[in-house]
Amino acid sequence: KQEVTQIPAALSVPEGENLVLNCSFTDSAIYNLQWFRQDPGKGLTSLLLIQSSQREQTSGRLNASLDKSSGRSTLYIAASQPGDSATYLCAPLFGNEKLTFGTGTRLTIIP
Amino acid sequence: EAGVVQSPRYKIIEKKQPVAFWCNPISGHNTLYWYLQNLGQGPELLIRYENEEAVDDSQLPKDRFSAERLKGVDSTLKIQPAELGDSAVYLCASSLGTVGGNEQFFGPGTRLTVL
Repeated sequence: KQEVTQIPAALSVPEGENLVLNCSFTDSAIYNLQWFRQDPGKGLTSLLLIQSSQREQTSGRLNASLDKSSGRSTLYIAASQPGDSATYLCAPLFGNEKLTFGTGTRLTIIP
Repeated sequence: EAGVVQSPRYKIIEKKQPVAFWCNPISGHNTLYWYLQNLGQGPELLIRYENEEAVDDSQLPKDRFSAERLKGVDSTLKIQPAELGDSAVYLCASSLGTVGGNEQFFGPGTRLTVL
């Protein structure tokens, strides 16, 4: 069974700090991996998409890395802001073309 | 560019009643997905359409759930009859296609409460 694990489940950091969210998956045969954020009561917002041939992808203060062979991805957030508070979900697209989600990391940035 | 549109945003019904959700994908997106999200969990795929064809409905509980995508654009997901355990958020997403894996874009979801 293809599983996705996100650690930690929750994280609180002071504003301005850099932080790393972790994602691991059991099947290295993926097409790509997406990182999403979800605000309470809202849908998912796509942050970054990394293709299986890429090692990393950057958008503004966000940087996502992918190590397909070890089944890991990280999302790095630089200079965190209160507006970054949300739940962050990673989702690899496995070979069966199913986007499989982790349970997310709930991030709180303390002003 | 308009995003994925879903309606209604909220729905409260009594058990055994029918309910329907509607989704309008991003213009030009051939692939449409319906996901179910329970509280504190990540979304789980219910069904995937390539144009009008349902190419993956293995996770759709077909005894009470049905879906259609007429003309390959808008889609409707129906539950009949609804059960208490169906209370969840139903998310619609779309992408240009699945070949090579394309970015999926999600709508705001419909929050269903079954009493």
